[in-house]
Amino acid sequence: AQTVTQSQPEMSVQEAETVTLSCTYDTSESDYYLFWYKQPPSRQMILVIRQEAYKQQNATENRFSVNFQKAAKSFSLKISDSQLGDAAMYFCAYRRPNYGGSQGNLIFGKGTKLSVKP
Amino acid sequence: NAGVTQTPKFRILKIGQSMTLQCTQDMNHNYMYWYRQDPGMGLKLIYYSVGAGITDKGEVPNGYNVSRSTTEDFPLRLELAAPSQTSVYFCASSYSKLQGAAGELFFGEGSRLTVL
Repeated sequence: AQTVTQSQPEMSVQEAETVTLSCTYDTSESDYYLFWYKQPPSRQMILVIRQEAYKQQNATENRFSVNFQKAAKSFSLKISDSQLGDAAMYFCAYRRPNYGGSQGNLIFGKGTKLSVKP
Repeated sequence: NAGVTQTPKFRILKIGQSMTLQCTQDMNHNYMYWYRQDPGMGLKLIYYSVGAGITDKGEVPNGYNVSRSTTEDFPLRLELAAPSQTSVYFCASSYSKLQGAAGELFFGEGSRLTVL
């Protein structure tokens, strides 16, 4: 069964600086999706960035980028020029590509709470 | 575009009461999911559906039931509420592989349920 591990329960960053959140996963599949979701205090789950495993190029969305190391099964999130609004829980999640039913379930890590200091 | 809508957002139940969490989506997604999120934890799958009339259990189904009579609606029913069901509940939906998609789930805003 697939598992997702986020080893940093909490992280802190100074406003305007860069922070990297770690995520590792375990799977025997060769193709899959990886996601980072943001959960602010409002509870809403917001998609930050996605990566398809067959794509070698790391995904980028504005200030957010990932370092996808497929062989190491690592998927870290880098936030550049951190802003106060980036403060939230961040969840790493895995999804099989051949998704259907429970096979299409997102498997979540336990999350990393990011604080941004002004 | 409303996306995924859950009601109610907050509810307090007494032990043994029953209730239904409503979920509706307007994106014509085939797949729908119910998750629960306990403090300090990620989300765990309760039930899912791959289309109208088709539902199945996820990781933590005990004490819950679902139905899917239409593509849009996927209500979650709690029978005989217990303190262990105190949690935040999320409904989510996605396209099926056949519909073509980038794989992400779209989430509702969550429903905080407290059982006393």
